[in-house]
Amino acid sequence: DAKTTQPNSMESNEEEPVHLPCNHSTISGTDYIHWYRQLPSQGPEYVIHGLTSNVNNRMASLAIAEDRKSSTLILHRATLRDAAVYYCIPYNNNDMRFGAGTRLTVKP
Amino acid sequence: DAGVIQSPRHEVTEMGQEVTLRCKPISGHNSLFWYRQTMMRGLELLIYFNNNVPIDDSGMPEDRFSAKMPNASFSTLKIQPSEPRDSAVYFCASRRSRETQYFGPGTRLLVL
Repeated sequence: DAKTTQPNSMESNEEEPVHLPCNHSTISGTDYIHWYRQLPSQGPEYVIHGLTSNVNNRMASLAIAEDRKSSTLILHRATLRDAAVYYCIPYNNNDMRFGAGTRLTVKP
Repeated sequence: DAGVIQSPRHEVTEMGQEVTLRCKPISGHNSLFWYRQTMMRGLELLIYFNNNVPIDDSGMPEDRFSAKMPNASFSTLKIQPSEPRDSAVYFCASRRSRETQYFGPGTRLLVL
């Protein structure tokens, strides 16, 4: 399994953009990069995923480095409801394993 | 779609008792996963099934833990006998091959 490195915690102000980084230097060529988040007292939920190209959906954007050894999850306007632990997971149809993630705090 | 359903949502039991956690995956999903989450160890994968067959149980902590999936719509995780260190939140998740994984709300287990 590819190892990931994420900051333990980050802070953001409400309504401002947030860039959550992830290093996955040992990612294999066929692994997709998935991002999940876990809101307090809930199970993890899917945010976004990509392989090589940058991706956008209604929740966030995913920027993937050209060498695929890192990626950045972008929340364009953080809200208080975005306060959660964010997990970056290289994954290819096998078992999905979670690291420690980044705890995002959003200040009003 | 009801999502992944887990029961019970909360369980309090005494050390030595048998505990059975239940999971109903999303209809049509062919893979099912059991995770355990604690403050100390984070979110750990215990076991997963493909098409009702256990594929990897290397995360099961010890023989006191067992999991079954008798059919595509039901799975159990059993702890016998339970110990205080088993206290955690247990999550079940399901997915179709190569698609998004969906998690249930979890079962919060407290072993006294």
